[in-house]
Amino acid sequence: AQSVTQLGSHVSVSEGALVLLRCNYSSSVPPYLFWYVQYPNQGLQLLLKYTSAATLVKGINGFEAEFKKSETSFHLTKPSAHMSDAAEYFCAVSGGYQGAQKLVFGQGTRLTINP
Amino acid sequence: DSGVTQTPKHLITATGQRVTLRCSPRSGDLSVYWYQQSLDQGLQFLIQYYNGEERAKGNILERFSAQQFPDLHSELNLSSLELGDSALYFCASSVGWTVTDTQYFGPGTRLTVL
Repeated sequence: AQSVTQLGSHVSVSEGALVLLRCNYSSSVPPYLFWYVQYPNQGLQLLLKYTSAATLVKGINGFEAEFKKSETSFHLTKPSAHMSDAAEYFCAVSGGYQGAQKLVFGQGTRLTINP
Repeated sequence: DSGVTQTPKHLITATGQRVTLRCSPRSGDLSVYWYQQSLDQGLQFLIQYYNGEERAKGNILERFSAQQFPDLHSELNLSSLELGDSALYFCASSVGWTVTDTQYFGPGTRLTVL
């Protein structure tokens, strides 16, 4: 079975500061990992995904995430926050090629950007 | 705009009733997924269809059912509704059937059960 823990339900940073959203996963098989963003009153949008190729994954809007097997982590970062980054962010895991074809989501982290 | 459409946007109904949520996938996508987002349970995968066939099942209650039609649109039927079924229901679509295919989410249907 797979599960995801997102540390911090709310994160607040200043505009221009580093964004770090934490995600730890649990999986009995090599995982696939995803980050999604949800803007107010909208559906989710894929930011990036790890599918067992490069461990450092670059996504849209300047975000990136690094898969660290030893730490079972897949933290999301962005060097410089922009006001438009304010949204809710979801980390998700799937059981990789051996697992069921379904995503298990974390509880989400709401990112607030202070001017 | 993801290209995925969902109707209706809002639905208010009473306990014990039955409702149908509709989803039209992006042009060319063969997979449709249904998700439920609630304050209590978070975001949960319900079910996936690929080209008309059920492909994967998640935490979908027996009171809920779905299908994908030959034109690839999908419907999620919720019956014997309970207060706890109040949630945002999302549909997503992807071109293939694997979880690594990018899923494009619709704007959701907000269901309120009174």
